Amino acid sequence: AQSVTQPDIHITVSEGASLELRCNYSYGATPYLFWYVQSPGQGLQLLLKYFSGDTLVQGIKGFEAEFKRSQSSFNLRKPSVHWSDAAEYFCAVGGPGNNRKLIWGLGTSLAVNP
Amino acid sequence: DAGVIQSPRHEVTEMGQEVTLRCKPISGHDYLFWYRQTMMRGLELLIYFNNNVPIDDSGMPEDRFSAKMPNASFSTLKIQPSEPRDSAVYFCASSTRLATGGDTQYFGPGTRLTVL
Repeated sequence: AQSVTQPDIHITVSEGASLELRCNYSYGATPYLFWYVQSPGQGLQLLLKYFSGDTLVQGIKGFEAEFKRSQSSFNLRKPSVHWSDAAEYFCAVGGPGNNRKLIWGLGTSLAVNP
Repeated sequence: DAGVIQSPRHEVTEMGQEVTLRCKPISGHDYLFWYRQTMMRGLELLIYFNNNVPIDDSGMPEDRFSAKMPNASFSTLKIQPSEPRDSAVYFCASSTRLATGGDTQYFGPGTRLTVL
């Protein structure tokens, strides 16, 4: 079955600390992987995506993610968190072909301590 | 471009009333998605369209929900009659097919629906 697991429901980090949000997926075909961020009261915004090539992808706001096929993972990282990074983060997976549906994780809520 | 536009941003209604949510996708996008977000179930895809044609409506919870896309620049999601359990944030998103794959979905700000 196709699925996305974000093991951490909630994470709290201190401002300036490094961050890693985990994402594991189950998908039968070559996956396209996405990370979106949702600020309170807002829609979702794309942070970064992987669909081919270099397995380390760079995104907006200083985020990066690494696709590890052997581990079925696509973890999101940031070396130094800012207070404005407090938000909900969603991982999603899709694939090639005509089906444009994305499978979504349940999200990880990030709190940043000053 | 103004991005995906949704209206209204907030809707409060009473049980049994008809609710219509509206979406204007980004110009030139040929895919449109309707999602529902709740604390309990997270983000759920309700239906999506390609070139105004419904492709997959397997996520529509029941017959009380219907969606239309009469043209490339407008879509509606209707709930009739509404029930308290329909209270959620409803998002519309649009995308365009990329030859490379990995289409990005662009989300609207959402409509927060409260059914009393």
